[in-house]
Amino acid sequence: GAVVSQHPSWVICKSGTSVKIECRSLDFQATTMFWYRQFPKQSLMLMATSNEGSKATYEQGVEKDKFLINHASLTLSTLTVTSAHPEDSSFYICSGEGQGGSIRFTDTQYFGPGTRLTVL
Amino acid sequence: GQQVMQIPQYQHVQEGEDFTTYCNSSTTLSNIQWYKQRPGGHPVFLIQLVKSGEVKKQKRLTFQFGEAKKNSSLHITATQTTDVGTYFCAGGDYKLSFGAGTTVTVRA
Repeated sequence: GAVVSQHPSWVICKSGTSVKIECRSLDFQATTMFWYRQFPKQSLMLMATSNEGSKATYEQGVEKDKFLINHASLTLSTLTVTSAHPEDSSFYICSGEGQGGSIRFTDTQYFGPGTRLTVL
Repeated sequence: GQQVMQIPQYQHVQEGEDFTTYCNSSTTLSNIQWYKQRPGGHPVFLIQLVKSGEVKKQKRLTFQFGEAKKNSSLHITATQTTDVGTYFCAGGDYKLSFGAGTTVTVRA
């Protein structure tokens, strides 16, 4: 199936620093990428949707100046958590939706392995 | 907005038994998707249902989409320890709304 990678898989940082998470579609063109966060034993909460070359659309309650999303190419989107605080500690998961390569359903999201962020 | 609800939240199953998890939407869905997330892992796509009343099978897993396209179910027969994990349903035209998930544990 379609493969999405995320880097790093885990990161520990000090409060006040910024952290960048990369999401790559390895074998298809991700025209749309989605960023989720997941708290322990909870469901996925959509943070934002980004289309290649456009500004991201953020969900209500998600601070766009804190969670910067860039989708510069059809295979790469980045999420930067700026001035991270302990309450930002979470599991961040991206997914890609698109066409080409090994894509079977064009409206199915293929998830990355996630990035576990811990802010001290 | 659209809400997707899933029950039960937890399912503790004896190995070899069957169980079903249910998904209900407040609005009609164009399609419904099911994902499985193993402990410590990420959601993995299982299947997509599009047609009213559609039934699809994957080995011991049977997925069904309701006639009104507002509900869906996942039935697992002869549960195995490999079935452990959280099963999410998700629906939506563009943005997926995820259910809370059903976390399955299996006792041998």
